[in-house]
Amino acid sequence: RKEVEQDPGPFNVPEGATVAFNCTYSNSASQSFFWYRQDCRKEPKLLMSVYSSGNEDGRFTAQLNRASQYISLLIRDSKLSDSATYLCVVNLRNTGFQKLVFGTGTRLLVSP
Amino acid sequence: GAVVSQHPSRVICKSGTSVKIECRSLDFQATTMFWYRQFPKQSLMLMATSNEGSKATYEQGVEKDKFLINHASLTLSTLTVTSAHPEDSSFYICSASKGAGTGRETQYFGPGTRLLVL
Repeated sequence: RKEVEQDPGPFNVPEGATVAFNCTYSNSASQSFFWYRQDCRKEPKLLMSVYSSGNEDGRFTAQLNRASQYISLLIRDSKLSDSATYLCVVNLRNTGFQKLVFGTGTRLLVSP
Repeated sequence: GAVVSQHPSRVICKSGTSVKIECRSLDFQATTMFWYRQFPKQSLMLMATSNEGSKATYEQGVEKDKFLINHASLTLSTLTVTSAHPEDSSFYICSASKGAGTGRETQYFGPGTRLLVL
């Protein structure tokens, strides 16, 4: 079983739509969680950290369910510029250096 | 800011040669740098963690004698792929952390280096 699993998509949505991505992780000892976005052939960029209480940053809302080992990302009012691959990322280590484990990503295509 | 650069951005080399990739933090001091690689249609995989002034810590399955890492200063880490073979062709990405590289700290990623070994 993969340590971080995501639906690869692609999710094709029109501008203005709301879209949600899910992710599951296998290691219950995982300590911190992130969503990154990666544009084609570019480096990943941090979108937001994910906290147990849920957190929101503008049009983006992230949720964490530790009991189910499930992370979600909700994008409201999609923009064309949101088209990218969204990577679910888990830090496996609770002490010492981070070990970030990346999912393979969910591809989002926002069309006019 | 938190800008990380990599050089070169792409390299093509013959099988058996060695390739050095540089990772620099341009506007901050990076105590800890991380090296990843990404094969096509696969996820980023951590190769090693490098801490300034000490030996790198390699992930299981990554040969330390093949992937030499040097973190000589707080702004520069290098990865040398020794005796490169076609199966080493990949996208190599570094990241840097302003702090110790633990917990929830943000890793800032470089733009990556595409290596093609013929």
